[in-house]
Amino acid sequence: DAGITQSPRHKVTETGTPVTLRCHQTENHRYMYWYRQDPGHGLRLIHYSYGVKDTDKGEVSDGYSVSRSKTEDFLLTLESATSSQTSVYFCAISESIEKVYSPLHFGNGTRLTVT
Amino acid sequence: ELKVEQNPLFLSMQEGKNYTIYCNYSTTSDRLYWYRQDPGKSLESLFVLLSNGAVKQEGRLMASLDTKARLSTLHITAAVHDLSATYFCAGKGGSNYKLTFGKGTLLTVNP
Repeated sequence: DAGITQSPRHKVTETGTPVTLRCHQTENHRYMYWYRQDPGHGLRLIHYSYGVKDTDKGEVSDGYSVSRSKTEDFLLTLESATSSQTSVYFCAISESIEKVYSPLHFGNGTRLTVT
Repeated sequence: ELKVEQNPLFLSMQEGKNYTIYCNYSTTSDRLYWYRQDPGKSLESLFVLLSNGAVKQEGRLMASLDTKARLSTLHITAAVHDLSATYFCAGKGGSNYKLTFGKGTLLTVNP
């Protein structure tokens, strides 16, 4: 298994509080991604990173920010959590999305509930 | 912007039967991925398809790609209960680094 650790694995928080999810990798891969998974929507890209301090928005980035200060860590922050952000969040990494046969490898997910 | 559509979204089949999951995508994609997800688990990469006419097989699963029709298929042969899972296809559009996923097909194989 690719060395990806997401923390926490489960979190319950209240509306309006800030929340930070962490993705840590030991593979030294350049590309890191945050997706959310919701019933009926599949996986939707929130933000991604193509290098240290290089990030870009995905299709559902409103209400989320990210930071990547070192290769191994990619943080996802909900500045003020809302109930619509209740979801399962997956981090994924890729050695090189340009390379052939380079799929994304996924972490085990973080289940976030906003009450 | 690449869009990926899968159908069916729900598939209930009997053991021993064959079936196909379809994945259509809206614009040029230079590769197509298939993933499997078991309930409550992470996603596992199954296949990467790179060129028109590409076919990959692993056990009872066979994936193919038709870039002209913008269509990939995942064919299940003689289904067994262990294949019950959600299957996702995903495409990479253009020169960016994004992977766009379909909504997934929940496959249930009944005895």
